Amino acid sequence: EIVLTQSPGTLSLSPGERATLSCRASQSVSSSYLAWYGQKPGQAPRLLIYGASSRATGIPDRFSGSGSGTDFTLTISRLEPEDFAVYYCQQYGSSRGYTFGQGTKLEIK
Amino acid sequence: QVQLVQSGAEVKKPGASVKVSCKASGYTFTSYGLSWVRQAPGQGLEWMGWVSAYNGNTNFAQNLQGRITMTTDTSTSTAYMELRSLRSDDTAVYYCARGHGGTRFDYWGQGTLVTVSS
Repeated sequence: EIVLTQSPGTLSLSPGERATLSCRASQSVSSSYLAWYGQKPGQAPRLLIYGASSRATGIPDRFSGSGSGTDFTLTISRLEPEDFAVYYCQQYGSSRGYTFGQGTKLEIK
Repeated sequence: QVQLVQSGAEVKKPGASVKVSCKASGYTFTSYGLSWVRQAPGQGLEWMGWVSAYNGNTNFAQNLQGRITMTTDTSTSTAYMELRSLRSDDTAVYYCARGHGGTRFDYWGQGTLVTVSS
């Protein structure tokens, strides 16, 4: 099973700053199978990025994804107050199903 | 618009079973698979399994095999997840999520809290 490790566990930043979140896989992942979600307290997760770098419908262009192989990154270029949430990466492993990273909490500094 | 509406919160005793429903609307139900994902209090997301709304095929997480069933009713566009032999560590919010291209989850239900307590 592919394990996804996200870092940092918590990221403290101010509105207007740039956020860089990392997701590292225990073995190579096809970029087509890597997605990012954001989750606010009491809400369901929301798809942000799929195929490692494609924005989902309605997602602002301040969100971007990059990476390949075992290292992937979610970047939020200029943080808005509504961006403070927990972010998860997720990969699809064919017959083995899906796995999520443990999450990165993005909090207001 | 695509919507997934789940059944309400449940409280169960250890050893019991729970069945959660997920009613889909706004798209052709049989064109997409549905996954179930759970989240224990204060914890991350755990994928539980997937069911094809087209033919009922399933794929379950290894740690749940033998305790879980996933079915669909195409006449009502509803998916069901049943978990048996409940334990306290099954206490979680359970989400259904539509699979897109088999690689990602583009729409999610609102979640159903299942509490297992004696």
